[in-house]
Amino acid sequence: DIQMTQSPSSLSASVGDRVTITCRASQSITSYLHWYQQTPGKAPKLLIYAASNLPSGVPSRFSGSGSGTDFTLTISSLQPEDFVSYYCQQTYRTPPTFGQGTKVEVK
Amino acid sequence: QVQLVQSGAEVKKPGASVKVSCKASGYTFTGYSIHWVRQAPGQGLEWMGWINPNSGGTNYAEKFQGRVTMTGDTSIKTAYMELSRLTSDDTAIYYCARVHSPDSSSCLHWGQGTLVTVSS
Repeated sequence: DIQMTQSPSSLSASVGDRVTITCRASQSITSYLHWYQQTPGKAPKLLIYAASNLPSGVPSRFSGSGSGTDFTLTISSLQPEDFVSYYCQQTYRTPPTFGQGTKVEVK
Repeated sequence: QVQLVQSGAEVKKPGASVKVSCKASGYTFTGYSIHWVRQAPGQGLEWMGWINPNSGGTNYAEKFQGRVTMTGDTSIKTAYMELSRLTSDDTAIYYCARVHSPDSSSCLHWGQGTLVTVSS
């Protein structure tokens, strides 16, 4: 299985900060990388698909980049509702695998 | 609008089976694959498998092979995930999710989740 390693596992930031989360795959996954946001007690929400594409309705402060093995999720200006958890997922090879998650906390 | 509504919480004894349903609305049920993902308490996301409701074709994670069965009933636009020989390690929230587009592998629409508790 392809291993997905996210870093950091958690981070502390303030409203308005620029935040970057990294996801590294154990082998090349081209652009088959997706990011999900999860609020406690809720289902995950698709934030970025195919490395850099935003689904309709996702705020433009979220952006994704990367290809091959290294990917980043950037939040340009943290808003209060962004202090939740984020997961990357590869779907290049079955089984799809998730990173362990990154929790964004209030500093 | 697209909606996936899952069945309610379940409490099962070790060794039993559980069947979770996922009723779809707002789109052509046979046009999109349904994935199942679970999340143990305080843990991350774990992919279990998917079903193509049109063909009935499935693909399961090796970890669940022999224990999981995913089916679909196109007449009532409902997908099912049945997990057998439950242990306490299967205590988790189980989510169904629909792919973003017919040729996509990311999941845009999610059910609300079904908590399955396995306890003697």
